Amino acid sequence: AQSVTQLGSHVSVSEGALVLLRCNYSSSVPPYLFWYVQYPNQGLQLLLKYTSAATLVKGINGFEAEFKKSETSFHLTKPSAHMSDAAEYFCAVSELGGGYQKVTFGTGTKLQVIP
Amino acid sequence: NAGVTQTPKFRILKIGQSMTLQCTQDMNHNYMYWYRQDPGMGLKLIYYSVGAGITDKGEVPNGYNVSRSTTEDFPLRLELAAPSQTSVYFCATGGSNQPQHFGDGTRLSIL
Repeated sequence: AQSVTQLGSHVSVSEGALVLLRCNYSSSVPPYLFWYVQYPNQGLQLLLKYTSAATLVKGINGFEAEFKKSETSFHLTKPSAHMSDAAEYFCAVSELGGGYQKVTFGTGTKLQVIP
Repeated sequence: NAGVTQTPKFRILKIGQSMTLQCTQDMNHNYMYWYRQDPGMGLKLIYYSVGAGITDKGEVPNGYNVSRSTTEDFPLRLELAAPSQTSVYFCATGGSNQPQHFGDGTRLSIL
């Protein structure tokens, strides 16, 4: 069964500092991996996706993530945090099986950006 | 381009009441999903559908029902509301191994 672990339910960074949000996954088949962002009172929006084409994936708003098979990780990074990055971030793994696209979400990491 | 539309945005129910959460998409996606989101728990799948007329249970289906008579609509029904169903409900659509597209959610309180 697939699973996703996000280390740290809350992360605080200073404005301009590096953002690193950690995600580890388990999957019985080569996975599709996603990062989503959720702003208050909104649904989840796709930041980026890994679909095996390249291990370093660039997304919107300056975020990127690197797929490391040996570490079963898909950590999200951004070189310089902006105040507008404050939100909750979810890592997700997707497998096609049992007749549907089964998506498992991590429990989320809330990012606080300190001015 | 509306994407995924959920109504209502907020609702307060009394214990034992029933209601239907509406979800409509204009993206022509076959897959549709209902999730509930509780603080610190991520998203839990309630029901999903792979196309009109086909639905199946997810992780946490008890106390809910769904139907899918058209590609566009995927309503979620609560028959006898219980306090444990206080949550934020999200509808999503998607394709095979494609990202999901989410509505803005329905915030439901049961008192």
